[in-house]
Amino acid sequence: NAGVTQTPKFRVLKTGQSMTLLCAQDMNHEYMYWYRQDPGMGLRLIHYSVGEGTTAKGEVPDGYNVSRLKKQNFLLGLESAAPSQTSVYFCASSNSGGAGEQYFGPGTRLTVT
Amino acid sequence: KQEVTQIPAALSVPEGENLVLNCSFTDSAIYNLQWFRQDPGKGLTSLLLIQSSQREQTSGRLNASLDKSSGRSTLYIAASQPGDSATYLCAVEDNFNKFYFGSGTKLNVKP
Repeated sequence: NAGVTQTPKFRVLKTGQSMTLLCAQDMNHEYMYWYRQDPGMGLRLIHYSVGEGTTAKGEVPDGYNVSRLKKQNFLLGLESAAPSQTSVYFCASSNSGGAGEQYFGPGTRLTVT
Repeated sequence: KQEVTQIPAALSVPEGENLVLNCSFTDSAIYNLQWFRQDPGKGLTSLLLIQSSQREQTSGRLNASLDKSSGRSTLYIAASQPGDSATYLCAVEDNFNKFYFGSGTKLNVKP
């Protein structure tokens, strides 16, 4: 059982480059989330989705875009990377809002130079 | 804006000790509260989920309580073991499906 997987695990970008992070879940969950984790700041919600074809802004959405074209996939895009986006990115999914626990992926460590 | 605070930021205890981790939040209009464990370089693992209408949840040596009106939750770990060493995070979900995390308590249980 794969659960939540994230691709890639590590990435180094130069300022201004673009990239897409892929999150996939095989639990048929409706809800999916993208977070960033910075030292001493816990996790902050970037964007989330409550179902296929829907997305919503979280706490820190600027500089990121997302898409949920398929129920099992949630993509996070950086159009023009900045050093401030150096962070560890986590994807999570849950089977319902409020009633179900969140399952997390292993994370993607992104460095922007 | 919801703010979640965890105290202490770090805790070191000898094996076998019972301990309490604290989590507080500023807006009591929450849907639920979850406690997570995070090992170094890994993702988060859910430990306990407390619905807003519940007062506590138990799983093995873990017991989490929730006092929504005062904006507080505690995670009680009984008879701590070195394998419990990790960072523990709490998170609240608001009524708009947004989650807010505390910055965590780093626990070290010494053999």
